[in-house]
Amino acid sequence: EAQVTQNPRYLITVTGKKLTVTCSQNMNHEYMSWYRQDPGLGLRQIYYSMNVEVTDKGDVPEGYKVSRKEKRNFPLILESPSPNQTSLYFCASREGLADSYEQYFGPGTRLTVT
Amino acid sequence: GDSVTQMEGPVTLSEEAFLTINCTYTATGYPSLFWYVQYPGEGLQLLLKATKADDKGSNKGFEATYRKETTSFHLEKGSVQVSDSAVYFCALSDMWNTGFQKLVFGTGTRLLVSP
Repeated sequence: EAQVTQNPRYLITVTGKKLTVTCSQNMNHEYMSWYRQDPGLGLRQIYYSMNVEVTDKGDVPEGYKVSRKEKRNFPLILESPSPNQTSLYFCASREGLADSYEQYFGPGTRLTVT
Repeated sequence: GDSVTQMEGPVTLSEEAFLTINCTYTATGYPSLFWYVQYPGEGLQLLLKATKADDKGSNKGFEATYRKETTSFHLEKGSVQVSDSAVYFCALSDMWNTGFQKLVFGTGTRLLVSP
């Protein structure tokens, strides 16, 4: 089954404790991205990657890092989480870069930073 | 920059009622338009899309028509079911202006359908 998986699904942590949210897709997609979803703001892109070792900032990259060492994996790293990073996070992958290509989303990771 | 505006929710309907969720967009180019649906506890799923003016996207009884003259992409369904309860997101992709790397989302509209 074609899918995007994320782990963990739920995470409660404390300010400053480094964490990683994993993302993996089994569709051989080159393009992957991370979004955060906040009430009243919709989804905003954090980082994206066009292929292995190629990443770039989205609209809200501050406080986040990513890496793309393998095509299927695109982890999101919070080196020093803060309470304003409490949010619902989605990983997505896309087959191609034309507008018409669908994005496939993971199930989401709900992060709470206290 | 490009943006998407959706009607505020929640939208509360009885089963078999007619649904309209309004979506308007601002774009300098010729975007593709999408409706995504998010069921409780799940990620977003593509519901339908339209890639050029006057195209109609349809899926699972939902429809939306790309209206360039009114810059709108309203979502409609003739008879909603309880299982349609979810959050609906309107989005655009405009590779020549906002870049091919992202979707621009509206804020989402929650639909609640009661039996």
